[in-house]
Amino acid sequence: QSVLTQPPSVSAAPGQKVTISCSGSSSIIVNNYVSWYQQLPGTAPKLLIYDNNKRPSGIPDRFSGSKSGTSATLGITGLQTGDEADYYCGTWDSSLSAGVFGGGTKLTVL
Amino acid sequence: QVTLRESGPALVKPTQTLTLTCTFSGFSLSTTEMCVSWIRQPPGKALEWLARIDWDDDKYYSTSLKTRLTISKDMSKNQVVLTLTNLDPVDTATYYCARTRLHLGDPQLDYWGQGTLVTVSS
Repeated sequence: QSVLTQPPSVSAAPGQKVTISCSGSSSIIVNNYVSWYQQLPGTAPKLLIYDNNKRPSGIPDRFSGSKSGTSATLGITGLQTGDEADYYCGTWDSSLSAGVFGGGTKLTVL
Repeated sequence: QVTLRESGPALVKPTQTLTLTCTFSGFSLSTTEMCVSWIRQPPGKALEWLARIDWDDDKYYSTSLKTRLTISKDMSKNQVVLTLTNLDPVDTATYYCARTRLHLGDPQLDYWGQGTLVTVSS
């Protein structure tokens, strides 16, 4: 069981908005930056958001990240069928000096 | 252009040792705040962080696998090697390496290899 908890699945219609939560046990999220990764079917994960809310070059602004207290949230607006993927939050647990990932959330665009 | 490629055996027997190599290009592991991480993903399951090696040779390991993992780097070959001892079928997974940049102390896994599937079976 991961120290970062995500909902197993979310769904929404094309064009709509969806949010994916990532909650942490103890102070892991409070004390560390959160990243988000997108894993399209059959491919390697791709960095989507870093430092809680920053997007790497090439990531559209439909994707956003935020953090508040012990939780982080990934938001996706203007949903497209190509957004169907597994999404993972991740952080560095500075108390353990180790990386951690959430259990992943499967996004279905209906 | 940053690329990473994992290589190693596709099939290993229980109790054996797995050695995986990450060969990279487009960046230098001697650059300050540059690192390489290993992550694995059992079929149909979530990502699991395994280990990280930094430009200054600092090494970090998963707490649950620490006694079985070793990470090292060969700067002359632009390679990072991960070994995992005493394999068990539960170690069956796709193993990824990823370039990792430290930004304000936050490790960003910004480029990933395609992954290599390792099956542990007798």
